[in-house]
Amino acid sequence: DAGVIQSPRHEVTEMGQEVTLRCKPISGHDYLFWYRQTMMRGLELLIYFNNNVPIDDSGMPEDRFSAKMPNASFSTLKIQPSEPRDSAVYFCASTRTGGFHEQFFGPGTRLTVL
Amino acid sequence: GNSVTQMEGPVTLSEEAFLTINCTYTATGYPSLFWYVQYPGEGLQLLLKATKADDKGSNKGFEATYRKETTSFHLEKGSVQVSDSAVYFCALSERGGFKTIFGAGTRLFVKA
Repeated sequence: DAGVIQSPRHEVTEMGQEVTLRCKPISGHDYLFWYRQTMMRGLELLIYFNNNVPIDDSGMPEDRFSAKMPNASFSTLKIQPSEPRDSAVYFCASTRTGGFHEQFFGPGTRLTVL
Repeated sequence: GNSVTQMEGPVTLSEEAFLTINCTYTATGYPSLFWYVQYPGEGLQLLLKATKADDKGSNKGFEATYRKETTSFHLEKGSVQVSDSAVYFCALSERGGFKTIFGAGTRLFVKA
C-alpha cells in the first residue's frame, strides 16, 4: 500500500516567487496535516484538515501561506510570495478516525528560497 | 496547555551501550503517547505507542512505559546499533482529539 506521497522532493526558488507543495494522503485517511521543520524551530504544525475541511490553521505563519484540500486524495500548500526565511522541510502527514491517532508522514519537500 | 519535554541532544553512545531518552508530558485527561523516529532525509515514522497508564510500547528492541504518576514516557534500548542513529521525537495525542503535540526531538549518534 502506498504511503503519503509528496511532490516535489526538492524545490529551489527565488525570493518573491510562488511555491506550491503537493500531498496525497493514504487512501481512507480522513485527517491531513501540514508541518514545517527547521533547525531553529523544530517541527511546527501549520494546519490540519478533517474530511477536506480546515480545522485549525493557527500555525500558518502569515497570509503569504495558504492551504487547500479540494478532495480526499489531494492537498496543496502555497507560499506567495516566498521569502528566504521560508526555507525549511515541509511534511505532510495523514491519519484516520478510529485508529490510535498515529500519524503517517510523507518524505517531505525541502524548500530553498534564495 | 498540552506539552512534551524531552532531553536535549545530541546523545552520543558507543555500539552496544544502553540508551535512555527522557520524556515528560503535561496533558489533561488520558492522552495516547508515542515515540517517532526520523532517519536522515526521511519523514517521521512511528516507533512505538502506549494508550493507557502502565502500558508498555515496544518495537525493534526499544521500549517505553506510560507512567501516569510521573507523567513520563522514557525511551530505552538495551544495546544500541549504529543503524539506530536518528532523531527521536516523543509525542502525545489527546483522547478524542487528532492533533499531536511533538517534543523538540533528541538526536542520537551511535559510534562503531
